[in-house]
Amino acid sequence: QVQLVQSGAEVKKPGASVKVSCKASGYTFTSYGINWVRQAPGQRLEWMGWINPANGYTKYSQKFQGRVTFTRDTSASVAYMELSGLTSGDTALYFCARGVVVTARLHHWGQGTLVSVSS
Amino acid sequence: QPLLSQPPSASGAPGQRVTISCSGGSSNLGSNPVQWYQQLPGTAPKLLIFNTNMRPSGVPDRFSGSKSGTSASLAINGLQSEDEADYYCASWDDIMNGVVFGGGTKLTVL
Repeated sequence: QVQLVQSGAEVKKPGASVKVSCKASGYTFTSYGINWVRQAPGQRLEWMGWINPANGYTKYSQKFQGRVTFTRDTSASVAYMELSGLTSGDTALYFCARGVVVTARLHHWGQGTLVSVSS
Repeated sequence: QPLLSQPPSASGAPGQRVTISCSGGSSNLGSNPVQWYQQLPGTAPKLLIFNTNMRPSGVPDRFSGSKSGTSASLAINGLQSEDEADYYCASWDDIMNGVVFGGGTKLTVL
């Protein structure tokens, strides 16, 4: 069965960077896009962008452009999300989700990774 | 200003029918299908409806979706206590060239 397993919770100081991983299994990793979505405490879901694991193409939400980087390791079926210049406003649950390209169809989600930013 | 708007809350008694609305614009709901996600407390969202009115396998047929113009609705028939959750609509936006989510509706089963 399709599974997306994310790395564990992180605590970071303001100004630092964080890198979250998302290991895929149960399907061909290069056949579907990986989207990243975050949810601040008590807030709505917020789409950050997506990566095409087949060719490394990335699309970032304008809000995060310049601060976020998506990468992937096809040999290990792992996608990564790195966010820099962290502030307290980046404290959130970060999800990876397998999606159908150029749609909002996110059929499978990781369990989420809590990133806390505090001095 | 969020691109997709939902009422913050909805409620109904067990067995009743509840509808949740989602309002958008020409660049999202007006030209792309809507998805609905159910999020139970402390868990990842789960795809409930895709392509406006399709259910993934395992989703009960009590859940149904529809869309007209730039508005969409999720209907839940025969409300059950386990339906108590947050519900989000989502669509692709052609101007943003990305996914947009509604603000979420918290459903309470009375």
